Order: sequence, then C-alpha cells, then structure tokens
Amino acid sequence: GQQVMQIPQYQHVQEGEDFTTYCNSSTTLSNIQWYKQRPGGHPVFLIQLVKSGEVKKQKRLTFQFGEAKKNSSLHITATQTTDVGTYFCAGQNNAGNMLTFGGGTRLMVKP
Amino acid sequence: EPEVTQTPSHQVTQMGQEVILRCVPISNHLYFYWYRQILGQKVEFLVSFYNNEISEKSEIFDDQFSVERPDGSNFTLKIRSTKLEDSAMYFCASSRLAGVPGELFFGEGSRLTVL
Repeated sequence: GQQVMQIPQYQHVQEGEDFTTYCNSSTTLSNIQWYKQRPGGHPVFLIQLVKSGEVKKQKRLTFQFGEAKKNSSLHITATQTTDVGTYFCAGQNNAGNMLTFGGGTRLMVKP
Repeated sequence: EPEVTQTPSHQVTQMGQEVILRCVPISNHLYFYWYRQILGQKVEFLVSFYNNEISEKSEIFDDQFSVERPDGSNFTLKIRSTKLEDSAMYFCASSRLAGVPGELFFGEGSRLTVL
C-alpha cells in the first residue's frame, strides 16, 4: 500500500534558526496536505498542494510539491517558540479519498 | 467558527468491553473520517464515510470496528470487543468536498485506554 515517510523525526533548533521537514511518498500523489499538531492537540490543516512543482507561502512557511508529485517539503524561516509542534504531511493518491499521513517531524524550539 | 466535537474526551475500559466514540461533524460537510494515533506515533486512517456508507477503510478497520450515522448529526465509531492495542487517541474529522478532499477538520480527539 501507499507509504508516506518524513524526515527528520525530531529537530531541535534555536529560536531564529530555519527548519525544514521532508516528505516522500512511495506512489505518485494527486495532492498533498500539511498539518500541524501542537503537543496534546489535534492536527490542524495548514495547506494543500495539488500541482506538480507548486510552491506556496504562508508568512514564514514555504511549502513545495515536487515535480514528480512524490515528495514535498515544508520550510520555516526564523523559527519562533510558537512554531513548536509536530508537522505532518498527508498524501492522497488517485485511488480514493483516503489521506495517508507521514510519521511527522517534531519541532522543538529553544528560546 | 464551526468545529468538530467529540465525546468522550477520555474513556477507560476493560479489555473485551464494547466502546462507542461519538462525533458531531461540521454541519454542511459531506465526508466523515475516523483516524487514530497511538501515543507519539503517526496519525493512521481507519475509515471514511460518505452518503451513509463506508467509502474506504484501512486494514486496521477489521470486523471489531463499525461506524454509523444514526441521525443527521452524530457519527459514531464502535469497537465491539476492545483489545489492549486499541489504546490510542481517536480523531474524528470531516471535510466538505468529495474527490479531492480538501481540508480535513479534526476534532480534539477521544483518548481510549484499554486495561
């Protein structure tokens, strides 16, 4: 079945440093979504990417979808303590509407 | 802002007991989902539900699990005979769109502890 992998599993950064998490799918995706889960919280939608090579920005967050629609990345510029949480990518293939989540990258930011 | 609500927030049960987790999706949404997350691990898909029937289910969603939309608002997940490994956070989610699902709105989750 479809597998979605994320690296790194954990990342500690100093406040103000940049952060990137990478997502790879075993199959071509129709779209990919990113979610953030604060400690003890539930996943909250950040963005959806649909087109090959798409790049979207939300303030300090930059999301990319690979040309082959099998990988994606999330980059945070100048992290803040409010960025703490686990970032999940979730991919959907053309077979149905099931979203398969990656294992997540847990971001910890030191003030 | 509309939200998905789940009850109970925490349930402790003995192995072999039946559990029902309840969800009220956002009112104009069409697709409903159950996901689970074992502590510290990934969010795993269980089942999706559309037009009063299951549209997709994962290997995790075996005969012990069932879902129902008994009225116009509630969406329930039943675990018939709980096992220790069913201990997890269960998230209900809903989305408005079919096909490309668009944003999933998650509830705050129901933590199930099986002793």
